[in-house]
Amino acid sequence: EAGVTQFPSHSVIEKGQTVTLRCDPISGHDNLYWYRRVMGKEIKFLLHFVKESKQDESGMPNNRFLAERTGGTYSTLKVQPAELEDSGVYFCASSQRATREKLFFGSGTQLSVL
Amino acid sequence: GENVGLHLPTLSVQEGDNSIINCAYSNSASDYFIWYKQESGKGPQFIIDIRSNMDKRQGQRVTVLLNKTVKHLSLQIAATQPGDSAVYFCAENADSSYKLIFGSGTRLLVRP
Repeated sequence: EAGVTQFPSHSVIEKGQTVTLRCDPISGHDNLYWYRRVMGKEIKFLLHFVKESKQDESGMPNNRFLAERTGGTYSTLKVQPAELEDSGVYFCASSQRATREKLFFGSGTQLSVL
Repeated sequence: GENVGLHLPTLSVQEGDNSIINCAYSNSASDYFIWYKQESGKGPQFIIDIRSNMDKRQGQRVTVLLNKTVKHLSLQIAATQPGDSAVYFCAENADSSYKLIFGSGTRLLVRP
């Protein structure tokens, strides 16, 4: 069974540009979560989808970040315009049911904003 | 891959020794705790979890201890192996939003 996959694995962009990160959850997993780790600090929650609906987006830092999950399958996280402080690793996780237990994480996208 | 080890507390142990990684959590209302392992270039991987109605839980070579009085969590790894080298994160949860609060991580280095 394929795990959670994220694209790209690395992205280097200039300040002010737009970047779109993609996450493909494990097949059949209705719940999808985005987390990020910036400046080598702790991993922080961004948001939680149940199918195509945003269940909790309390961790989204500002309106430069837009997450979508059209059709309830894969999800995208767009940063527009990117700022230097957005650099970090963006992780996606999924679970079959809404749970705080045993999330399956992807390998992450390393975003560098120059 | 990600420089997961930059600026992190580091624990260096000899192969075969036991490792103890500590974590202090902040929310006294947290009732569920997890330890994750993150190897370079990979995402966090579940190791073991514990609920607040327990103070100890054992897995294969790993044990988690929970002290709610001082809000402290620890991960013990027995007979540490080179493959255990990674960054270890504790995480807590206190509500129904399924949002995990992660600690800042500890890097474990295993010396051969």
